[in-house]
Amino acid sequence: DAGVIQSPRHEVTEMGQEVTLRCKPISGHNSLFWYRQTMMRGLELLIYFNNNVPIDDSGMPEDRFSAKMPNASFSTLKIQPSEPRDSAVYFCASSRAVTVAGSPLHFGNGTRLTVT
Amino acid sequence: QKEVEQDPGPLSVPEGAIVSLNCTYSNSAFQYFMWYRQYSRKGPELLMYTYSSGNKEDGRFTAQVDKSSKYISLFIRDSQPSDSATYLCATSRAGGTSYGKLTFGQGTILTVHP
Repeated sequence: DAGVIQSPRHEVTEMGQEVTLRCKPISGHNSLFWYRQTMMRGLELLIYFNNNVPIDDSGMPEDRFSAKMPNASFSTLKIQPSEPRDSAVYFCASSRAVTVAGSPLHFGNGTRLTVT
Repeated sequence: QKEVEQDPGPLSVPEGAIVSLNCTYSNSAFQYFMWYRQYSRKGPELLMYTYSSGNKEDGRFTAQVDKSSKYISLFIRDSQPSDSATYLCATSRAGGTSYGKLTFGQGTILTVHP
């Protein structure tokens, strides 16, 4: 199993530019999560999907952030326009079933975003 | 106030020491408790999962939950340099799609030196 695959691993962009982060979950997993990690705030849940449907997007900080899951094997997180305070490591995670207790989250290795 | 509080450390111990990592949480609705381990420049990976108050053991690792005091602990016996990582506690509610909505602590940076 290849695990959760995220791209790119690193992204450096200028303020105001659009940023798109990509995620391929583990095959057979029905739930997908986007987290953001910073030194100050730790690991924060942005949004999660179950069977490709967004369940909870209350963690999305602003309208500048949007996420889509067009099919079971692909998701994107878009920031438009980007700002320096968006600099963080963005993790995608998947699990077999968010409705089952104890179903572990499998994380990708993250995308390190730097907005200058 | 954060719903899950964890001392970020850093914590440095000699090889072979017993390590104690702790978290407190404020929301009684949290019913499930997990510990994740995160190596540098990697994503977190699940280490331990527990539901009830009490102890759960897995090799050198013991997870302890005290729901009455809202306190979560992870003990590492005979610590090894390979245990050097950031340890994150996490909690979730029960029911529906809540199981997957994890709230993480800040993470404790642990270094085990030879």
